[in-house]
Amino acid sequence: SQELEQSPQSLIVQEGKNLTINCTSSKTLYGLYWYKQKYGEGLIFLMMLQKGGEEKSHEKITAKLDEKKQQSSLHITASQPSHAGIYLCGAQSGYALNFGKGTSLLVTP
Amino acid sequence: DAGVIQSPRHEVTEMGQEVTLRCKPISGHNSLFWYRQTMMRGLELLIYFNNNVPIDDSGMPEDRFSAKMPNASFSTLKIQPSEPRDSAVYFCASSFPTGMNTEAFFGQGTRLTVV
Repeated sequence: SQELEQSPQSLIVQEGKNLTINCTSSKTLYGLYWYKQKYGEGLIFLMMLQKGGEEKSHEKITAKLDEKKQQSSLHITASQPSHAGIYLCGAQSGYALNFGKGTSLLVTP
Repeated sequence: DAGVIQSPRHEVTEMGQEVTLRCKPISGHNSLFWYRQTMMRGLELLIYFNNNVPIDDSGMPEDRFSAKMPNASFSTLKIQPSEPRDSAVYFCASSFPTGMNTEAFFGQGTRLTVV
């Protein structure tokens, strides 16, 4: 089965700082999804990457999929308290998504 | 659409009792997923249905867990008998896979505590 490893496990950054979260797969990715989860709530879709070298941005969040399609990174520029939460990467497996354990982000004033 | 609706939001039950979690997927979605989230194991896929048919239940922990989808607008996840180690947040999600895109929409989850 495909395993996804996320790093770091948790992150505390000062407001305004940039940060990067990584997601590494044990197998080639045929669809990599990034979700955000606010504490105590469900998951919200951020973006999906399919092609090697692909990069997508939404507001201050940018996600990339490497050329070999086994690693993705999520970069947040000028972090804000609203960015706090758990970020999860998910890999497509048939109709379903299998997820990494998540990266917990806290943004301090 | 109201999104994926799960009930109850919170459930506290005693060990040995039967627990039933409910899910209403987004109208028009033909795939439904049950996940369990814990600190130790993260978000685990338990089972998923496509067109109301169970496709993969390999994630169901043991026979105490069962899931049904009697129609396109309703699914249940049942635990009988419940045990303290079943305490977790259970999520239901639905999707309408198109080509290579299988974006899933998640409910707010049911936080289950078994004492």
